[in-house]
Amino acid sequence: QKEVEQNSGPLSVPEGAIASLNCTYSDRVSQSFFWYRQYSGKSPELIMSIYSNGDKEDGRFTAQLNKASQYVSLLIRDSQPSDSATYLCAVNIAGNTGKLIFGQGTTLQVKP
Amino acid sequence: GAVVSQHPSWVICKSGTSVKIECRSLDFQATTMFWYRQFPKQSLMLMATSNEGSKATYEQGVEKDKFLINHASLTLSTLTVTSAHPEDSSFYICSARDPRATDTQYFGPGTRLTVL
Repeated sequence: QKEVEQNSGPLSVPEGAIASLNCTYSDRVSQSFFWYRQYSGKSPELIMSIYSNGDKEDGRFTAQLNKASQYVSLLIRDSQPSDSATYLCAVNIAGNTGKLIFGQGTTLQVKP
Repeated sequence: GAVVSQHPSWVICKSGTSVKIECRSLDFQATTMFWYRQFPKQSLMLMATSNEGSKATYEQGVEKDKFLINHASLTLSTLTVTSAHPEDSSFYICSARDPRATDTQYFGPGTRLTVL
């Protein structure tokens, strides 16, 4: 069973701090990795995609990928209360089906 | 990012009736769309993969005769919940695979279904 695992949290950080969200996956041949943000009662919204080892930065967000260790992380700098949401890690299933496997999500709480 | 719409955003129906949900990719052509269901405080559950011009592929445990999927054009997929029952009440979300961005899925806003 191919899996994507995340700590469900909640992860609580003070406003202005760095939030670090982690995700591990089991399928070594996965090539595409995504972070989605989901507010309560809403659908997921794409934040970042990453395909190569290393870091990818977009504004306050940095995605980090380490294929050898099979983990992907998301750093949120200068966390804001509006960042409070559930963050879903998603990994592609090899074979060009386009299907993604989603983790259970980590709930982030940013306290003013 | 790409835009995916869904209609209706919420629907209430009586037990035994059928409900159709539409999913549209507004600014790109999506050969592949996906249908998910999400119960409160749970993660997304993939129901089926919808490919334009062919039959949908259903995940294990999803009744294809109950959840009818049609993907008649490159911008529209529909999910029909037939003979709905209260246990079908859930948040149904579609996504569309953007062919311009490897494996990237963009989600519609979701449809909240309540079956009385």
